[in-house]
Amino acid sequence: EVKLVNSGGSVVRPGGSLRLSCEVSGFDFNDYGMIWVRQPPGKGLEWVSGINWMSETRGYAESVKGRFRISRDNAKNFLYLQMNSLRVDDTAMYYCVRVIVGGYSCDYWGQGTLVTVSS
Amino acid sequence: QSALTQPRSVSGSRGQSVTISCTGTSGDVGKFNYVTWYQQQPGKAPKFIIYDVSERPSGVPYRYSGSKSGNTASLTISGLQAEDEGDYYCSSYAGSYIWAFGGGTKLTVV
Repeated sequence: EVKLVNSGGSVVRPGGSLRLSCEVSGFDFNDYGMIWVRQPPGKGLEWVSGINWMSETRGYAESVKGRFRISRDNAKNFLYLQMNSLRVDDTAMYYCVRVIVGGYSCDYWGQGTLVTVSS
Repeated sequence: QSALTQPRSVSGSRGQSVTISCTGTSGDVGKFNYVTWYQQQPGKAPKFIIYDVSERPSGVPYRYSGSKSGNTASLTISGLQAEDEGDYYCSSYAGSYIWAFGGGTKLTVV
């Protein structure tokens, strides 16, 4: 069974940092690209960042470029999102999502982890 | 990076069909056949229901279908049922490991 488990969300002050994790199981993590997607409370989905299977290629939304960094540890089956210089408008549920092998559609989602940026 | 455009809401009667559009640009929807549709129920993570424009994952009812014409992708749900109510989102690959998502459409079954 494919499983993605998000963790690391918390309440943090503006300007603070946080690292989100996504532990995967049930498939060969080495073969899959991954992305992060966020959803502010009561709003729609927003793509945040993506990383290919070998960490050779990474993409970032303009809203987070220079502040967030995506990484992965294929040996431990973990995906990460390091978030620095957090702003109030970064408040959202953050999901990790798997990219279908051989293409760029996305399939399975984690359950999400809530990040609240507030003073 | 622009969001894809979806209608904010659609509605239909039980048994009828509805179509939700997802309009992008020649750099995303128009260029790549990597459009995915998701259904999100309140308080839950999104679930993919169509991938690669028109492919249906196992377990998703045949009532759900996807298509694309130019820069616009569409999701059609036929034979509407009460359990189809929820929010629907589209996404498209945009190249260079960048994706775009639609703003979401709320489906009401009356």
